[in-house]
Amino acid sequence: SQTIHQWPATLVQPVGSPLSLECTVEGTSNPNLYWYRQAAGRGLQLLFYSVGIGQISSEVPQNLSASRPQDRQFILSSKKLLLSDSGFYLCAWSVLTVNNEQFFGPGTRLTVL
Amino acid sequence: EDKVVQSPLSLVVHEGDTVTLNCSYEVTNFRSLLWYKQEKKAPTFLFMLTSSGIEKKSGRLSSILDKKELFSILNITATQTGDSAIYLCAVRGSGNTGKLIFGQGTTLQVKP
Repeated sequence: SQTIHQWPATLVQPVGSPLSLECTVEGTSNPNLYWYRQAAGRGLQLLFYSVGIGQISSEVPQNLSASRPQDRQFILSSKKLLLSDSGFYLCAWSVLTVNNEQFFGPGTRLTVL
Repeated sequence: EDKVVQSPLSLVVHEGDTVTLNCSYEVTNFRSLLWYKQEKKAPTFLFMLTSSGIEKKSGRLSSILDKKELFSILNITATQTGDSAIYLCAVRGSGNTGKLIFGQGTTLQVKP
């Protein structure tokens, strides 16, 4: 069966520090991968998605970047965090066929102080 | 611009009540509408709807889609405290990426 992992689970970082969040998927090949951010009590905002290794599409201009160095690995990064980067970050995957549900990882709660 | 709007944003009910959550959308070349339940961390998948008028049902939860009026409802009957969660509606439009556009979510609290 497929599983999706995210780490760390929680993170407190000072403004201006770098960020690296990792997401890995097991039990499937060539998934579509997605990064979302969720503000407190709000819906999910799509940040990045990837349909293959090295292929990244950005949905919202921001202070963040994403990379996909391996088929089942998706990384969210920042060189210098802002206060507004605080939130709950969720990684998700779906099978390559377009019209399928997405499965979410456990998320990373990021607080920027 | 593609948009998904959920209502109400929050709802408090007592155990045994029936609730109806609403989701309206505007999207280019609609493909599907999905409902998720989010308790503390990862949203979990509930339903995917692609055709109008066909009810999907799982236990006390059911959902239906109206592609003419561009909305969906999620019904929960005989609510329990374990139904307390954020319910998220998402829509998939055109393109080959499978990406979803989410609504703001409805926060449901079921009191004993």
